[in-house]
Amino acid sequence: EPEVTQTPSHQVTQMGQEVILRCVPISNHLYFYWYRQILGQKVEFLVSFYNNEISEKSEIFDDQFSVERPDGSNFTLKIRSTKLEDSAMYFCASGAQLSSYEQYFGPGTRLTVT
Amino acid sequence: TQLLEQSPQFLSIQEGENLTVYCNSSSVFSSLQWYRQEPGEGPVLLVTVVTGGEVKKLKRLTFQFGDARKDSSLHITAAQPGDTGLYLCAGDQGAQKLVFGQGTRLTINP
Repeated sequence: EPEVTQTPSHQVTQMGQEVILRCVPISNHLYFYWYRQILGQKVEFLVSFYNNEISEKSEIFDDQFSVERPDGSNFTLKIRSTKLEDSAMYFCASGAQLSSYEQYFGPGTRLTVT
Repeated sequence: TQLLEQSPQFLSIQEGENLTVYCNSSSVFSSLQWYRQEPGEGPVLLVTVVTGGEVKKLKRLTFQFGDARKDSSLHITAAQPGDTGLYLCAGDQGAQKLVFGQGTRLTINP
């Protein structure tokens, strides 16, 4: 069964460093998303991406964040200058349809900022 | 801000019992999804409900969407230890993003 994959599974970085989290969405999906989950808290929407541009973004997704689909298979989230409060699980999701239901999530990348 | 409140937050019952967990909001959703999340893993989609009043069954799990599309319930019949996990509801208001509830952590004791 097709699935969303994410790398790395765990990333440790120092405050102020740049990180890139990588995702390979399900191959025939056209809509891509990033969510994050701070330990013990709700899953929160960050950004949605379709047709090589951002469709929607949350207040969390400020100028320090960017997304890219550099080729036909990868979808990346970049944090330019990490802060301690960026420590969280980051989930990539993809969907085949215009409406945002039926989103399929990857296993996540645990980002630890020290 | 759209809020989804799940209740109860924690539920521990014996194997074989039935249970219902709830997902409530004051907002109307185009659709509502139920996910299950294991520790350290991503949410796994269980079901999507779209139409007000819709009922979907997945083996021993029954999902219902409220008539007004503001709430949903998950009922498990004859719970088994393998049902243990965190159950999340997530609503879509057609804005290309899901709003998640805080989850119900379910423990089924053998």
